Amino acid sequence: DGGITQSPKYLFRKEGQNVTLSCEQNLNHDAMYWYRQDPGQGLRLIYYSQIVNDFQKGDIAEGYSVSREKKESFPLTVTSAQKNPTAFYLCASSIWYSGANVLTFGAGSRLTVL
Amino acid sequence: DQQVKQNSPSLSVQEGRISILNCDYTNSMFDYFLWYKKYPAEGPTFLISISSIKDKNEDGRFTVFLNKSAKHLSLHIVPSQPGDSAVYFCAANSHAGGTSYGKLTFGQGTILTVHP
Repeated sequence: DGGITQSPKYLFRKEGQNVTLSCEQNLNHDAMYWYRQDPGQGLRLIYYSQIVNDFQKGDIAEGYSVSREKKESFPLTVTSAQKNPTAFYLCASSIWYSGANVLTFGAGSRLTVL
Repeated sequence: DQQVKQNSPSLSVQEGRISILNCDYTNSMFDYFLWYKKYPAEGPTFLISISSIKDKNEDGRFTVFLNKSAKHLSLHIVPSQPGDSAVYFCAANSHAGGTSYGKLTFGQGTILTVHP
């Protein structure tokens, strides 16, 4: 059953700690993305990767880092430099469908900073 | 700069009636538009898309209308069902300059509640 697996679903972090969110896909998609959802602000792009060993900053990359060593995996590290990390994080991968680049999302990870 | 806007935070509709969700955009380079549906604590799921060369696309109970001159799109759900209760996001994408990485710009979302 193909899809995107994000873990952990819930994560608590103390201020000053780095945390890494996992994202794995078995859809054989080349492109992967990380979005952040905050109430009333929609989804904002953090980082994306079109191919292994390459990634680009999105609109709100400050305080985050990523790696893309394997096609299936795109982990996101939330560093202590991220000023307001409490949010719902969504990983996605994409495929072309009827001319549109359609993203498939994971179930999300909710990060809370204590 | 909010390039995609959903000005109605919420919408309440009776079961069986039509739900109309609206979305406005400012970037004239957007050429594909998508609607996603999201339940609480889950990732969004793709509903329907429309290319800027069309003004309507239909899929079962869901129809998306695009008015390019007004930079406005809408999602119609007929008939509405209680299971349609969710947050709906519109999103836009531009292929200008050959970009094809799917950098979708999302609206803020509209919470749809369908009452039995």
